[in-house]
Amino acid sequence: KQEVTQIPAALSVPEGENLVLNCSFTDSAIYNLQWFRQDPGKGLTSLLLIQSSQREQTSGRLNASLDKSSGRSTLYIAASQPGDSATYLCAVRLAAAGNKLTFGGGTRVLVKP
Amino acid sequence: SAVISQKPSRDICQRGTSLTIQCQVDSQVTMMFWYRQQPGQSLTLIATANQGSEATYESGFVIDKFPISRPNLTFSTLTVSNMSPEDSSIYLCSVAPGGTDTQYFGPGTRLTVL
Repeated sequence: KQEVTQIPAALSVPEGENLVLNCSFTDSAIYNLQWFRQDPGKGLTSLLLIQSSQREQTSGRLNASLDKSSGRSTLYIAASQPGDSATYLCAVRLAAAGNKLTFGGGTRVLVKP
Repeated sequence: SAVISQKPSRDICQRGTSLTIQCQVDSQVTMMFWYRQQPGQSLTLIATANQGSEATYESGFVIDKFPISRPNLTFSTLTVSNMSPEDSSIYLCSVAPGGTDTQYFGPGTRLTVL
């Protein structure tokens, strides 16, 4: 059974500092991994999708890496801003599980002005 | 991409009653997914809804408790039946439009059961 873990559960940084969010998964036979952002009481916004054959994806200040063999992904957010405050979730799609996503518990980020 | 709307956005219900949540997508999709997010928890898949066939439920979720309809390729409903306070959660629908592996989520329905 795939298990997804995100550490730390919460993170507080001053504005301008780089953010590093970790995601680990137990079954390396993944199809892809997706990072989401969730604002309080809201739905999920897709940030980045990394296919199993890729090592990283970039979008603006966001960069996500994937090391499938070690079961890890890292989301980097450069030069954090107060508007980056949210919960960040990673989700893994197994190759053999159709479109089902298995989510981590999330990292709650607070960027202080 | 896909734009997804859900109704209602929130509701407060009495135990023993049922609530039907609607999900509308701006494009035709083969599969729609229903997730639950309990307070302070991450998301858990309830079921996958294909148009023209019965929904496929994940372990721990049953049709009698969470009946799903999928009348066409842009719409689905999830009913939470005979509610108890433990059903208080955010319910989200999501889709993965054809030609993309990205999953998109609706804004969610926040349900509180008293």
